[in-house]
Amino acid sequence: GAGVSQSPSNKVTEKGKDVELRCDPISGHTALYWYRQSLGQGLEFLIYFQGNSAPDKSGLPSDRFSAERTGGSVSTLTIQRTQQEDSAVYLCASSLSTAGPYEQYFGPGTRLTVT
Amino acid sequence: AQSVAQPEDQVNVAEGNPLTVKCTYSVSGNPYLFWYVQYPNRGLQFLLKYITGDNLVKGSYGFEAEFNKSQTSFHLKKPSALVSDSALYFCAVRDMSMGGKLIFGQGTELSVKP
Repeated sequence: GAGVSQSPSNKVTEKGKDVELRCDPISGHTALYWYRQSLGQGLEFLIYFQGNSAPDKSGLPSDRFSAERTGGSVSTLTIQRTQQEDSAVYLCASSLSTAGPYEQYFGPGTRLTVT
Repeated sequence: AQSVAQPEDQVNVAEGNPLTVKCTYSVSGNPYLFWYVQYPNRGLQFLLKYITGDNLVKGSYGFEAEFNKSQTSFHLKKPSALVSDSALYFCAVRDMSMGGKLIFGQGTELSVKP
């Protein structure tokens, strides 16, 4: 079956521009997660969704970051006024539920480079 | 706060030899523990998980992991390493107070030489 997909795979943007990253989870997975992977910070949790709801946004690095999920499926992570420190690989994962011991399945990631 | 530590940045083994990648954890309550592998320019792939029960968990590609509650460890093992096992390995614990997010160790680079 289809796994988690993310687009674009690579994004180069100029400092100050806005970017949108998309995640399409595994069908039927109600839980969706965003993480960021960078050399200095390792794997860093950003936000999660149960259905369309994001109960806690405290993991987002700044108010320039926002995320939404519609129809219990596709999610978009938006970064406004990008900065060079936003350069990283953004990973999306989905899981059957936020409760219980379910594993998360990851997409291939979006490599964001801010110049 | 829950945390995971991988004490070795890199592990080098010869092909055919057994391998161990170490992980220790700190959690309140019973942990849900995971191992993931990442190949270059790829996302993370799930290898195995510990929920409860048998302390030896078997997973994909011949990997297994041993849960040790007294030592708060969850080491990844394989009896005979392959060159194709060379990759970055992450141990993680699921934080059930935060929607089940994964808290990762810093990763261990495994290099298997012929």
